[in-house]
Amino acid sequence: KQEVTQIPAALSVPEGENLVLNCSFTDSAIYNLQWFRQDPGKGLTSLLLIQSSQREQTSGRLNASLDKSSGRSTLYIAASQPGDSATYLCAVFDSSYKLIFGSGTRLLVRP
Amino acid sequence: GAVVSQHPSWVICKSGTSVKIECRSLDFQATTMFWYRQFPKQSLMLMATSNEGSKATYEQGVEKDKFLINHASLTLSTLTVTSAHPEDSSFYICSAGSGTGPTEAFFGQGTRLTVV
Repeated sequence: KQEVTQIPAALSVPEGENLVLNCSFTDSAIYNLQWFRQDPGKGLTSLLLIQSSQREQTSGRLNASLDKSSGRSTLYIAASQPGDSATYLCAVFDSSYKLIFGSGTRLLVRP
Repeated sequence: GAVVSQHPSWVICKSGTSVKIECRSLDFQATTMFWYRQFPKQSLMLMATSNEGSKATYEQGVEKDKFLINHASLTLSTLTVTSAHPEDSSFYICSAGSGTGPTEAFFGQGTRLTVV
């Protein structure tokens, strides 16, 4: 059974810092991995999608990497801003055609 | 990205009544939609996979008679919580992919259900 773990569970940083969020999954047989952002009480916004054949994807200040063989992905946020404060979720589309989520990392960027 | 609309965004109902939540793909056809449940400060737990024109596939532990899912068209799936109880209070959220198989998932805004 696929399990997705995110570390750390919570993170507080001052504005301007670069930071890394980690995601690991137990079964490397995935189709893709997706990073999402969730604001309190809101739905999910897709940030980056990495196909299983890809190593990384970039969008603006965000860069996500994927090492399928080791079951790991990282989300790098450059020059963090208070508006980046949210919960970040990673999810893998596994061999059972289901999107399995990690528990999330709650990020607070302090002005 | 593709747009998924969920309605209502919040609902309060009395214990014993039923509540219907709609999930629509606005600018694409969604063969498959997924329904999730999220408790406070927890991650999303998959409840069921909804396929257009066929019966939904429920995850282990999810009561199919309590959580009725209908996917009558390529742009609409509904989740009905029947005979709701306070323990059903939660955040329900749907997602849809823009194609068949493991494509990028887009999510609705979610529905906050409170059963009193």
